[in-house]
Amino acid sequence: AQRVTQPEKLLSVFKGAPVELKCNYSYSGSPELFWYVQYSRQRLQLLLRHISRESIKGFTADLNKGETSFHLKKPFAQEEDSAMYYCALRGSNYKLTFGKGTLLTVNP
Amino acid sequence: GAGVSQSPSNKVTEKGKDVELRCDPISGHTALYWYRQSLGQGLEFLIYFQGNSAPDKSGLPSDRFSAERTGGSVSTLTIQRTQQEDSAVYLCASSLNVGNPGELFFGEGSRLTVL
Repeated sequence: AQRVTQPEKLLSVFKGAPVELKCNYSYSGSPELFWYVQYSRQRLQLLLRHISRESIKGFTADLNKGETSFHLKKPFAQEEDSAMYYCALRGSNYKLTFGKGTLLTVNP
Repeated sequence: GAGVSQSPSNKVTEKGKDVELRCDPISGHTALYWYRQSLGQGLEFLIYFQGNSAPDKSGLPSDRFSAERTGGSVSTLTIQRTQQEDSAVYLCASSLNVGNPGELFFGEGSRLTVL
């Protein structure tokens, strides 16, 4: 079975502060991990994927197989980062399993 | 259009009625997914299609739910004898194929309210 856990439903930070959205997963094989984001009144969209090892909008995420984590980080949060963030895992069966999401609010 | 299109965008129905939700994926995308998004539950996987076949129907909540896809394109999710707990946003997504290690493109969703 594959499972994604996002322990924080809500996260509030001030502009310019670092932010970390936590994601832990459970999967017996080699997973692919993703972060998706949904801005207010917009479609859910891909933010980044672990295999690309890229930084998008200042966000990075490192897959830690030892801790089975894929936390999303940004050193200096911006107000426009306020959104719902979902961590997702794809296993060998190609099903993409999402966590329950974390609502990030960046205050001015 | 260039994106995934879903209809209706909003549907209000009475308990016990049947509803059909439609998804038109991005042209050329062979994989199609249905998810249900409800408050506090995140995105719940329902079913996916590769072409017209559905290898994994494990997420369908009950036998009142069914989905089909024809011509490798449009998909319909049908909920029979709707219940209040079926109220949610139903999201459709497509990707080039299930083996593509990347992006799902989502529609705007169909918001279902069962009174």
